[in-house]
Amino acid sequence: GNSVTQMEGPVTLSEEAFLTINCTYTATGYPSLFWYVQYPGEGLQLLLKATKADDKGSNKGFEATYRKETTSFHLEKGSVQVSDSAVYFCALNGNSGNTPLVFGKGTRLSVIA
Amino acid sequence: NAGVTQTPKFQVLKTGQSMTLQCAQDMNHNSMYWYRQDPGMGLRLIYYSASEGTTDKGEVPNGYNVSRLNKREFSLRLESAAPSQTSVYFCASSDRGQDTIYFGEGSWLTVV
Repeated sequence: GNSVTQMEGPVTLSEEAFLTINCTYTATGYPSLFWYVQYPGEGLQLLLKATKADDKGSNKGFEATYRKETTSFHLEKGSVQVSDSAVYFCALNGNSGNTPLVFGKGTRLSVIA
Repeated sequence: NAGVTQTPKFQVLKTGQSMTLQCAQDMNHNSMYWYRQDPGMGLRLIYYSASEGTTDKGEVPNGYNVSRLNKREFSLRLESAAPSQTSVYFCASSDRGQDTIYFGEGSWLTVV
């Protein structure tokens, strides 16, 4: 079945550091890939997504590229801010019917000033 | 801009008590979901409803029941709460299974 593996946290960075959170997936066919973010005390919200190979999703300075050859969708940001402190979830959706999203276990990011 | 609304936000139950978590969405979405979030386990799907009138089990359905009351509402019931059901519960919806999912703010449930 479909699955997502993302790097375990927590990740602690200083402000303005470069961020990478690794995500790899296992799926049949051509899934859509997502990054969701959860700020403290809130629900998850979509950060970015990509629906086909080589697509790059981007939002709020974050980027991720759908790499089919390496089955990866790594999240990157060039310069993190304290306000980026949150839990980040990689997810995928199969391309058949109404199958729900499959989530990774989440990576907690803490950015210190 | 209500989106997905779930109630209650916080609840403490005694072992064996029952309760229902309510969820409503105002985006005219077809699909609705209940997830639970536990430390180190990420999000796990309990039940989902692909469309009005249908429900399906997710990864961790035991101890729960759901009702898709109409297109807007999808409730989650704990018939006899157990401490293992202490968790944060999230309701979510999407237009179709493949589309972006929108989450509620969560319900913190403690079973003592």
